[in-house]
Parts: sequence; structure tokens; C-alpha cells
Amino acid sequence: DVKVTQSSRYLVKRTGEKVFLECVQDMDHENMFWYRQDPGLGLRLIYFSYDVKMKEKGDIPEGYSVSREKKERFSLILESASTNQTSMYLCASSLRLRFYEQYFGPGTRLTVT
Amino acid sequence: TQLLEQSPQFLSIQEGENLTVYCNSSSVFSSLQWYRQEPGEGPVLLVTVVTGGEVKKLKRLTFQFGDARKDSSLHITAAQPGDTGLYLCAGDYDGNKLVFGAGTILRVKS
Repeated sequence: DVKVTQSSRYLVKRTGEKVFLECVQDMDHENMFWYRQDPGLGLRLIYFSYDVKMKEKGDIPEGYSVSREKKERFSLILESASTNQTSMYLCASSLRLRFYEQYFGPGTRLTVT
Repeated sequence: TQLLEQSPQFLSIQEGENLTVYCNSSSVFSSLQWYRQEPGEGPVLLVTVVTGGEVKKLKRLTFQFGDARKDSSLHITAAQPGDTGLYLCAGDYDGNKLVFGAGTILRVKS
């Protein structure tokens, strides 16, 4: 059974802290994605990666960075967390050519106070 | 501006009723997906439609892709409480990533 796991289900951080969100997939997928989900806005793509050490900006990359040192792991970094980054963060993965068939993790609910 | 507009935003119906959810855009998509998300979980892919006019069925769910590949609909027959969730449409328009609609929250009461 396919599996995407995220390091935390809930996270509370203070403004200005550096935040790391980890995502691991066990399907040997080439593509990995980070989204944030906000009510009424759907899922918005932050960054994606189609290979190790490769990254591409999505629609809302400002305030975020990513790291992909191993194929199975994709990290999202908030360099200096702000209250407007309070959101649900979803990680997904897919095969390279079937990027539209994405497998999602359970999400991390991040609150920045 | 949402590239994909979903309607209605919220739907509350009784068990056994039928319903249709719509996903519309002014852009042409190479493919369109429907996902369902339950509370506390990530979205799960239900179907991918690729050809204009295509109709796919998944038990009581019927998905249709518009002839011009700009819109899609999801019809549920005889809804059950287990159908409750957030339904998201997503489209591929540039060949390497998806754009998602805001979603339709469906609540089926028993």
C-alpha cells in the first residue's frame, strides 16, 4: 500500500522561529510536492521537486524554502515563521510522468502565534 | 483568481438523494482529476479524465469531462453518509503541476 508520511500532525510555533516540515514517501516516486490548504482557497502549490536536489517554485513560494537530499524525503522550511503561515500543509508524491495522480500525506496543521 | 471554480461551495443533503458538483474554468486542461478529502486526512484520488466528453463511473459516482475540456461534473446517486467529505477538482494545464479548485464540502445526513 502506498504511503506518504509527514513528521507531525499538529505543530505550534512562535513568530520568527525556523520551522521544518518533513515528508517521506515509500513508493520510489520521482515527484514530490508541498501545498498549503486554507478554507475557501483550496490547495496552493508552494514548491515541487522532480528529482533529488532539484526544486521548482510553485504558485506561493515566498517565505518558504525546500530541500530534497534523498529521493524519498522532501522537507519544507519556514525560515522565519509568521502568523500568516498558519495553515494546513500537505505533502504529495507522484510518478514522474503521472504527476496528476498524486498521493497525499495526512497533513500538518501548523499554528504560528 | 481561481483558475478552477467549484460549485456549490457547500452541500447538505439527506441520505438517498442525488447531487451534482461542478468544476468550471475558462482554461483548457490536458486532464482533470477529482479528489476526496475526509477530515484529518489528505486528499485521495478518485478519478482522472483525459478526453473531452469522457464519462467515467465509480460505483455510485459518475464523472464527466466537458467536450471542450474546460469543465467537469461529479454526480452522486443515492448519497450515503460515507460520501461526506471535501470534493476537490484539479486540472493539469501546463504539463508539470496541478491547479486545484477551492472544493465542495458535502454533508450527507442519515
